[in-house]
Amino acid sequence: ETGVTQTPRHLVMGMTNKKSLKCEQHLGHNAMYWYKQSAKKPLELMFVYNFKEQTENNSVPSRFSPECPNSSHLFLHLHTLQPEDSALYLCASSQSNRRDQPQHFGDGTRLSIL
Amino acid sequence: AQKITQTQPGMFVQEKEAVTLDCTYDTSDPSYGLFWYKQPSSGEMIFLIYQGSYDQQNATEGRYSLNFQKARKSANLVISASQLGDSAMYFCAMRDFNTNAGKSTFGDGTTLTVKP
Repeated sequence: ETGVTQTPRHLVMGMTNKKSLKCEQHLGHNAMYWYKQSAKKPLELMFVYNFKEQTENNSVPSRFSPECPNSSHLFLHLHTLQPEDSALYLCASSQSNRRDQPQHFGDGTRLSIL
Repeated sequence: AQKITQTQPGMFVQEKEAVTLDCTYDTSDPSYGLFWYKQPSSGEMIFLIYQGSYDQQNATEGRYSLNFQKARKSANLVISASQLGDSAMYFCAMRDFNTNAGKSTFGDGTTLTVKP
């Protein structure tokens, strides 16, 4: 069983839909992250939360809205997405946000926008 | 700003042989951490190995070792005795002290194919 669980694994939605991606970590970590991985592009950091507080918003469009109710759960709320938002969305966690802490990733949600 | 460069989009290696995946980085911060991750076709990213900028020894984890050359700003991953299950995408990443806490920069990745 992976320490970081993402649901759903696959999501197809129209541009006018509203959906949410869920991430849960069972590792007792205090920092959580959302990344976007598009084809032929490097991994892009979207948001960072440390002890439930958002510490990084990497110029992400407002149609992506993160939520971190506690250190174990992280959500990414989606609304009125664009076709270019189709990608693999990866959640990660780490013990802290220190520079020597590796990140543990979930399996990702593959999102397709119609 | 920090930057990671992986110049090999794809690499092939024969099973049981060793392979080196290149990574160079750029940062103005003397204190940083370097990471390698593996991403199989299933999608999950798996942490492999870590090297701190002040570590005196090159990091090793089982069949993985990191050839860290600080003056050249390179952190190449060496996989010994390649196995078919090593076929995957490999990413080099860095965190430095000056960036916003928690932010990692990833390279474009190298696709490794192990041939039987």
